[in-house]
Amino acid sequence: ETGVTQTPRHLVMGMTNKKSLKCEQHLGHNAMYWYKQSAKKPLELMFVYSLEERVENNSVPSRFSPECPNSSHLFLHLHTLQPEDSALYLCASSQVDREETQYFGPGTRLLVL
Amino acid sequence: DAKTTQPNSMESNEEEPVHLPCNHSTISGTDYIHWYRQLPSQGPEYVIHGLTSNVNNRMASLAIAEDRKSSTLILHRATLRDAAVYYCILRSTNAGKSTFGDGTTLTVKP
Repeated sequence: ETGVTQTPRHLVMGMTNKKSLKCEQHLGHNAMYWYKQSAKKPLELMFVYSLEERVENNSVPSRFSPECPNSSHLFLHLHTLQPEDSALYLCASSQVDREETQYFGPGTRLLVL
Repeated sequence: DAKTTQPNSMESNEEEPVHLPCNHSTISGTDYIHWYRQLPSQGPEYVIHGLTSNVNNRMASLAIAEDRKSSTLILHRATLRDAAVYYCILRSTNAGKSTFGDGTTLTVKP
């Protein structure tokens, strides 16, 4: 399997549930990213991990908790979400160098009821 | 962060060339110009990038102005599958800081 994969592709959860989104990259990259894409809005960068350390947290509420156990895997743990958190959550990876080309996964479509 | 400006939408006829413009007047010397596109119901896809010289690959060409304050993504023969939102973004060595704007929605008519 190649590229960036994300599971699940679709998720429906209640506001009291706890769930996790998973991202895996098979490109040998050393940086991984979480983005949020809401309807009619630009992509919003949420978190950046470089060499397995979090280097960016763009004022994301604590109900979103990222985890990067190794350079190939990235998780986004979700708990007590709000309906406005419904969106497409995209994972991306890149090699940390000057050119920083990112490769995106297909995303997880999340609906919070 | 350096920002980019793109038209909200453009239309093209199938099999005709398409020139998608992007302005980035506050670009810094270390910023690379990247283009991505997002097809419906998919994640963004890398298209092309460059620093100063024009670039060609199998998907598109990138023409960069001499002062680097603007660039143009060129699709030589648009197909219906090229209908997407095209994003022009700037990346420096600290890539996490770059942001996606609204992009240009390209419609290709048969």
